[in-house]
Amino acid sequence: DTGVSQNPRHKITKRGQNVTFRCDPISEHNRLYWYRQTLGQGPEFLTYFQNEAQLEKSRLLSDRFSAERPKGSFSTLEIQRTEQGDSAMYLCASSPRPPGDTEAFFGQGTRLTVV
Amino acid sequence: QKEVEQDPGPLSVPEGAIVSLNCTYSNSAFQYFMWYRQYSRKGPELLMYTYSSGNKEDGRFTAQVDKSSKYISLFIRDSQPSDSATYLCAMINTNAGKSTFGDGTTLTVKP
Repeated sequence: DTGVSQNPRHKITKRGQNVTFRCDPISEHNRLYWYRQTLGQGPEFLTYFQNEAQLEKSRLLSDRFSAERPKGSFSTLEIQRTEQGDSAMYLCASSPRPPGDTEAFFGQGTRLTVV
Repeated sequence: QKEVEQDPGPLSVPEGAIVSLNCTYSNSAFQYFMWYRQYSRKGPELLMYTYSSGNKEDGRFTAQVDKSSKYISLFIRDSQPSDSATYLCAMINTNAGKSTFGDGTTLTVKP
């Protein structure tokens, strides 16, 4: 499978628990993005990496959120002390080096439900 | 006010109709304009992207950009039930690297 892979596809957690999501981008894609999408809204940018460097973080990414991309390959997004407002679809996308940013390929997302 | 505003819909059309989906934006620094299709509970799929003002055609789909009016459109000709999905416009300021999305228009094409 050569697409962007996200795991798990679904996660139900209790409020206050920590969760971690994984994204495996398309091989050799240097840029990796995380977005969050709630029902009826478009994806909202969270953060992105150029190889292993995290280049930008949205103000939506509170200090409870942390993202890593060790070795510039897969990435993880961790949410600590989850809140009900964190319930959303978390989308990962990857793209080749610029100017290929427009060719972003999205994964199927991880749907988080905080109860 | 959001940087990207998209006609909210929902939109319901009969099979074979021409569909027009529209977005406006306020940030003149946006340089690339994309249209994504998103089926329920799936990730967005890139349909088309354009850089300059004018039209770009790909099969039944035509993307139109008017930078002077800060307005973009996606036209779907001979719409099919399989086109039923949510369509998202997105824009990039390449200096920023990230995409800014509209909230999507849900389209239903009835057989």
